[in-house]
Amino acid sequence: QKEVEQDPGPLSVPEGAIVSLNCTYSNSAFQYFMWYRQYSRKGPELLMYTYSSGNKEDGRFTAQVDKSSKYISLFIRDSQPSDSATYLCAAPLGQNFVFGPGTRLSVLP
Amino acid sequence: NAGVTQTPKFRILKIGQSMTLQCTQDMNHNYMYWYRQDPGMGLKLIYYSVGAGITDKGEVPNGYNVSRSTTEDFPLRLELAAPSQTSVYFCASSPGLDQPQHFGDGTRLSIL
Repeated sequence: QKEVEQDPGPLSVPEGAIVSLNCTYSNSAFQYFMWYRQYSRKGPELLMYTYSSGNKEDGRFTAQVDKSSKYISLFIRDSQPSDSATYLCAAPLGQNFVFGPGTRLSVLP
Repeated sequence: NAGVTQTPKFRILKIGQSMTLQCTQDMNHNYMYWYRQDPGMGLKLIYYSVGAGITDKGEVPNGYNVSRSTTEDFPLRLELAAPSQTSVYFCASSPGLDQPQHFGDGTRLSIL
């Protein structure tokens, strides 16, 4: 079992839709969680960084952590074609970072 | 700001050849990392460094070597290229442990 799992997609939604991207994890030692966005042929860039359970909001993006269920989510409101990318969840563990495989999102105009 | 810069962007190697992937950062970050990204597999840590002169193995270090003589530079060396090393390689840096990482745009490497 992978330590961090994501549905690879692709997920296609119309412009303006609310998008829900999800990760599950197996290691209870994970304390922090991050969401990265990766455009095609580019490196990942940090979107959100959360520590505790609950919600964290940044503009159109909301990150949600449920440590009891080992479930993390990223919500995108009013999705735009520019949000089309692969979204990776990640958690630091010691000197390492464990990344999910990513979910590919397409927002159609 | 340049951030993390990787060169080259693309490279094709023959089996058995060697090469060095270059990575430099201008953010004065102590921590630097090398990852490989394969389809459906996520990012896998190859090597990391917590400061100049200090390096350590990650999850998939076999077939690679690194050095860290300065804070800015963290080159990755492939000594005997094998087809299994065909991948996209990303370098990243962070200011400290558990801190978010800043990535370069990757080197696409094909071994034929």
